[in-house]
Amino acid sequence: DGGITQSPKYLFRKEGQNVTLSCEQNLNHDAMYWYRQDPGQGLRLIYYSQIVNDFQKGDIAEGYSVSREKKESFPLTVTSAQKNPTAFYLCASSRHVGQPSGTGELFFGEGSRLTVL
Amino acid sequence: QKEVEQNSGPLSVPEGAIASLNCTYSDRGSQSFFWYRQYSGKSPELIMSIYSNGDKEDGRFTAQLNKASQYVSLLIRDSQPSDSATYLCAAEQGAQKLVFGQGTRLTINP
Repeated sequence: DGGITQSPKYLFRKEGQNVTLSCEQNLNHDAMYWYRQDPGQGLRLIYYSQIVNDFQKGDIAEGYSVSREKKESFPLTVTSAQKNPTAFYLCASSRHVGQPSGTGELFFGEGSRLTVL
Repeated sequence: QKEVEQNSGPLSVPEGAIASLNCTYSDRGSQSFFWYRQYSGKSPELIMSIYSNGDKEDGRFTAQLNKASQYVSLLIRDSQPSDSATYLCAAEQGAQKLVFGQGTRLTINP
């Protein structure tokens, strides 16, 4: 079955630690995205990538880093510089890039819930 | 001013009635709009997309777009308890990313 796999589903981090969230897709989608969701809030864009070896900052990139070495994979590292990392992290992908309506049809993974102890 | 605004609710509707969800956006350059449904603790799923002024119907769902007023709405007819969820409105910014509203929590009462 095609889809997006995020791991781990739940993660606990001590203050000062970096953690990496995995996102893998087998949909052959060009574009991939990382969003953050806080309780009762909508989704805020952290980083996105339209092609391999290229990515752009979203609205809240500070304290996060990403890489896109393979089309299928877009891992997110939450660094110790992120002051309030406790949140629900969602990875998504989309089929088309640069076309009307293309990037709106996002397919989401099941999410990773990060808690800072 | 937020780029995409929704009433966070909660919105409570009796079963069988019409639920009406509203959204406004600030970027006049946005051309594509989307409604996602998110059940508690789950990831969002796309339920409707709309690109042209007017109405678009899909089963019990109707999306409405008015670009002059920068307004998007979602109507759910014959509401069912399974429609209880948070509904996220999103607008495409450029051709590269979506901007989401904060979501409206909808509860359908049996």
